[in-house]
Amino acid sequence: NAGVTQTPKFRVLKTGQSMTLLCAQDMNHEYMYWYRQDPGMGLRLIHYSVGEGTTAKGEVPDGYNVSRLKKQNFLLGLESAAPSQTSVYFCASSRPSYNEQFFGPGTRLTVL
Amino acid sequence: AQSVTQPDIHITVSEGASLELRCNYSYGATPYLFWYVQSPGQGLQLLLKYFSGDTLVQGIKGFEAEFKRSQSSFNLRKPSVHWSDAAEYFCAVDRGGSNYKLTFGKGTLLTVNP
Repeated sequence: NAGVTQTPKFRVLKTGQSMTLLCAQDMNHEYMYWYRQDPGMGLRLIHYSVGEGTTAKGEVPDGYNVSRLKKQNFLLGLESAAPSQTSVYFCASSRPSYNEQFFGPGTRLTVL
Repeated sequence: AQSVTQPDIHITVSEGASLELRCNYSYGATPYLFWYVQSPGQGLQLLLKYFSGDTLVQGIKGFEAEFKRSQSSFNLRKPSVHWSDAAEYFCAVDRGGSNYKLTFGKGTLLTVNP
C-alpha cells in the first residue's frame, strides 16, 4: 500500500496564479484532511471531508477550495495564490473511529 | 476552546540521555491523545496514541507516554535518546464523538548532541 500520496512535491507560483494539489489514499478511509504547516504555528486545518461528496471548513479556509468527488481523492485548490499561502501543505486520512490520521509527505508551495 | 500546549519550543539533549516532552490540553472530558514525529522534510508519523485503559502507553521507536487526568497532561518519554530521534514532535488531541478534527500543539524541536 502506498498510504497517502501527494502531488506535486514542490511548486512555485506567481501571485494570482491558480493551482490544484492532489491527495490520494489507498486505505479506504472515510475522512480526509488538508493542513498547512508554517514555522512556529504547528499544523492548522484548512478543510476536511467526512465522506465522498462532502467537505467542511477548518480553522483557516479562506483562499482555498476543496473537492472530494471520489472517496480516495481530496483536491485542494488555490484560485488566486497570494504570498501568504507560501507554506507546506499536508494531506491526511483516517477511519471514522478514533481519528488516527495518516499523513502524506507534504507539498512545499512558494508564492512569489 | 480546545487547545493543546507544548511548553517547550526547542529541547537539546545528549545522546543516551533520557527525554521527556511535555503536552497539556484544555478540555473537560478525556480526549483521544496522540504523539506524532516529523523528521526534516518528511510528513508526520504516529508514535503512539491513548484512547482509554492503561494510562501508560507504548509506542514505536522505544517511546512511551503517560496520561495524567489530574494534570491534563500526556507527556512523551524515552529512556535513552538516539541521534536519529532528532526531529520535531507534535502532540494532538481529538475530543471524540462527532468531532472529526485533531488539534495539534505547535511542536517541540528536539536536537540530539553526540
